[in-house]
Amino acid sequence: GAVVSQHPSWVICKSGTSVKIECRSLDFQATTMFWYRQFPKQSLMLMATSNEGSKATYEQGVEKDKFLINHASLTLSTLTVTSAHPEDSSFYICSAPGTAYEQYFGPGTRLTVT
Amino acid sequence: GQQVMQIPQYQHVQEGEDFTTYCNSSTTLSNIQWYKQRPGGHPVFLIQLVKSGEVKKQKRLTFQFGEAKKNSSLHITATQTTDVGTYFCAGSEYSGGGADGLTFGKGTHLIIQP
Repeated sequence: GAVVSQHPSWVICKSGTSVKIECRSLDFQATTMFWYRQFPKQSLMLMATSNEGSKATYEQGVEKDKFLINHASLTLSTLTVTSAHPEDSSFYICSAPGTAYEQYFGPGTRLTVT
Repeated sequence: GQQVMQIPQYQHVQEGEDFTTYCNSSTTLSNIQWYKQRPGGHPVFLIQLVKSGEVKKQKRLTFQFGEAKKNSSLHITATQTTDVGTYFCAGSEYSGGGADGLTFGKGTHLIIQP
């Protein structure tokens, strides 16, 4: 089946620093990937759509200069949280669509900003 | 924008009892998907419904898509402890031939008492 990996699985960083999260489709190619954010015991909120070879599209209210997305290849998308602050602490999950547009989620990255 | 409401937020059942979660969208959906997330895990795709009035079954799970393609339900018969987790519905409005980011409901946390 389709497998999506994320790295790192968890990261702690200091306020003001930047953190990069990788999302890889391991056994299939993905021209599109999605980035979601999930707070504890809450739902997933779509942040942006990552498009291979072109700019990402961001959901309303998501700062594109803060959450930099790069889709460098058909199997890799990266999300960089720039100048992180404690309120950016969250669970970040990526997904890639399957052939019927179902989505396969990565295991998530838990970011803690101190 | 599109909103997806899901109820109940929490459901406690005795093992062996049935369970149902309901999902309602503010707009007509092109498809609706259901995911299960175990505590500490990531969402796992269960099923996708596309057609008006569609009903699909997976063993003890029955999924329905409303005639107006705005509501859906998931019913579990005779719950087991392995059913514990949060069940999310997620909708997509656009059917332009590509994958779209999903709008998730808040999820129903299923708690089973043995």
